[in-house]
Amino acid sequence: QKEVEQNSGPLSVPEGAIASLNCTYSDRVSQSFFWYRQYSGKSPELIMSIYSNGDKEDGRFTAQLNKASQYVSLLIRDSQPSDSATYLCAAPLTDSWGKLQFGAGTQVVVTP
Amino acid sequence: DVKVTQSSRYLVKRTGEKVFLECVQDMDHENMFWYRQDPGLGLRLIYFSYDVKMKEKGDIPEGYSVSREKKERFSLILESASTNQTSMYLCASRSRLAGGTYTDTQYFGPGTRLTVL
Repeated sequence: QKEVEQNSGPLSVPEGAIASLNCTYSDRVSQSFFWYRQYSGKSPELIMSIYSNGDKEDGRFTAQLNKASQYVSLLIRDSQPSDSATYLCAAPLTDSWGKLQFGAGTQVVVTP
Repeated sequence: DVKVTQSSRYLVKRTGEKVFLECVQDMDHENMFWYRQDPGLGLRLIYFSYDVKMKEKGDIPEGYSVSREKKERFSLILESASTNQTSMYLCASRSRLAGGTYTDTQYFGPGTRLTVL
């Protein structure tokens, strides 16, 4: 099993709907998780971090962490065309100097 | 506001050339990273520097070297560029908290798209 896994998509979401992205992780990562957004041709931009079980909300974004089931998710409410991007899930490996392990990314396409 | 800059957004080089990619951060971060990103392969770590003059190999260091003489600057060197090094190169930096722990939040530069002909 890869340390951090995501569905590559594309995930097609109608404008105004909720986009739901999932990320599963192995025992090899520590308990802090990051969601990056990456527009085509641009560099990743941190949008959310979560360290504790439960939900964390920031504007239209909500990150959810479930340590028992080893998954972390990102919800995007009221999706806009500007949310069309690839979303990367990342977590540091436990047996290293904090090397960040990235998932392959989920492409989100918001359709008007 | 955090800022990581890279010397070039686009670069075209010929096979066999020595290539320097520069990265500068103004956040006084201890750790700096070089990644490459290719379609279908995701982000792959080339080298990591945890402090000045310190470096560690990442997952794909072959064909690359690095230099960190000053805290704010981390250079990636392609000793003899090859076509399979055509890629998007991303630099990132990260802070280290007192006590040796890390914030783990990495901030990325804008990237350099390198084409080797």
